[in-house]
Amino acid sequence: NAGVTQTPKFQVLKTGQSMTLQCAQDMNHEYMSWYRQDPGMGLRLIHYSVGAGITDQGEVPNGYNVSRSTTEDFPLRLLSAAPSQTSVYFCASSYGAPGQGRAYEQYFGPGTRLTVT
Amino acid sequence: EDQVTQSPEALRLQEGESSSLNCSYTVSGLRGLFWYRQDPGKGPEFLFTLYSAGEEKEKERLKATLTKKESFLHITAPKPEDSATYLCARGIREKLTFGTGTRLTIIP
Repeated sequence: NAGVTQTPKFQVLKTGQSMTLQCAQDMNHEYMSWYRQDPGMGLRLIHYSVGAGITDQGEVPNGYNVSRSTTEDFPLRLLSAAPSQTSVYFCASSYGAPGQGRAYEQYFGPGTRLTVT
Repeated sequence: EDQVTQSPEALRLQEGESSSLNCSYTVSGLRGLFWYRQDPGKGPEFLFTLYSAGEEKEKERLKATLTKKESFLHITAPKPEDSATYLCARGIREKLTFGTGTRLTIIP
């Protein structure tokens, strides 16, 4: 089991460029999320998905797009990169059936460090 | 909207010196309380899930406890390898609200 994998590990973009951060998990988890981590602010939720074909916005969705065509993959697209999107991005996945209400932990990938100049 | 506050921001302990980290939150109700460990340059590593007030979980030198409005992570006789940032989060499954973490340093 590789768990949650993310590519690339590092990326430098110029303002206005677009790119896709890749995330994949091999644990057959239904639930996947994207967070960004900035100094002094903790991890903040960008977008999440409760299953293939279903996505929703988190706390800081502006400038980002997601789709979920398979259970395994959950890519994050930056539409037009801005310096404010310089951050470390983490993808996470978790299990648990809809409606149970019981909390289930998320498992995180190693992160992508993005710099926008 | 839940708010999660961790204290202290940073903590330096001598090896073997026990202490506790605090995590407080604003919204009661049926949500999980999660503790993670994060090493520099790595993703958060899951430690514990707590769900009900009074619940306790242990793993090696770590013990997590939960009340109605806060959680504690107790570290007993820590070793240098316990140095890391410890993150607390509240939520359910795909939507977690994180605190800013406590940076723990254990001095040999």
